[in-house]
Amino acid sequence: ETGVTQSPTHLIKTRGQQVTLRCSSQSGHNTVSWYQQALGQGPQFIFQYYREEENGRGNFPPRFSGLQFPNYSSELNVNALELDDSALYLCASSLGLSNEKLFFGSGTQLSVL
Amino acid sequence: DQQVKQNSPSLSVQEGRISILNCDYTNSMFDYFLWYKKYPAEGPTFLISISSIKDKNEDGRFTVFLNKSAKHLSLHIVPSQPGDSAVYFCAAKAAGNKLTFGGGTRVLVKP
Repeated sequence: ETGVTQSPTHLIKTRGQQVTLRCSSQSGHNTVSWYQQALGQGPQFIFQYYREEENGRGNFPPRFSGLQFPNYSSELNVNALELDDSALYLCASSLGLSNEKLFFGSGTQLSVL
Repeated sequence: DQQVKQNSPSLSVQEGRISILNCDYTNSMFDYFLWYKKYPAEGPTFLISISSIKDKNEDGRFTVFLNKSAKHLSLHIVPSQPGDSAVYFCAAKAAGNKLTFGGGTRVLVKP
């Protein structure tokens, strides 16, 4: 059974650029959530995908968008990067919408200069 | 608007003693609470959880207590071990499985 894997592990971008982060969910998990963890804070919910459709969104602007593919892997896209987007981006998978136990990947550390 | 708060950013405890981590919440719609543990360069891992219909849940050295009237929960680790040194996050959920996290407490267990 493979766990949640994220790529890349680290990324440096400049303000105004666009970035795509990738996540492979744990085997058999059909729900993927994305979280942003700023330095010294807890993870904040960005959005969740279930069966390829967005199912819930946190307080993030539309320049944060995502996709889920038929194999349940997912992408997080951020356009027009801002300095405050510098954070650890965590992907979590679960089986179904009512399963509270999320399995997290190790994250992608994004630095925006 | 911080709906889940961990007021102690850090905690230092001697090996073998008890670690007590606290968490307060404001949203009455939260019906399930979880604790996650995070080591550096790793994602958070699930530790223990409790439903709002219970006031205590125990799993080995870890016990979570929930006081709904006070909107407060705590995690007890007994006995604390050096491998428990990590950042601990309290999380809560209402409908669905979107989690709202606290800011974390860094625990250092001294040998």
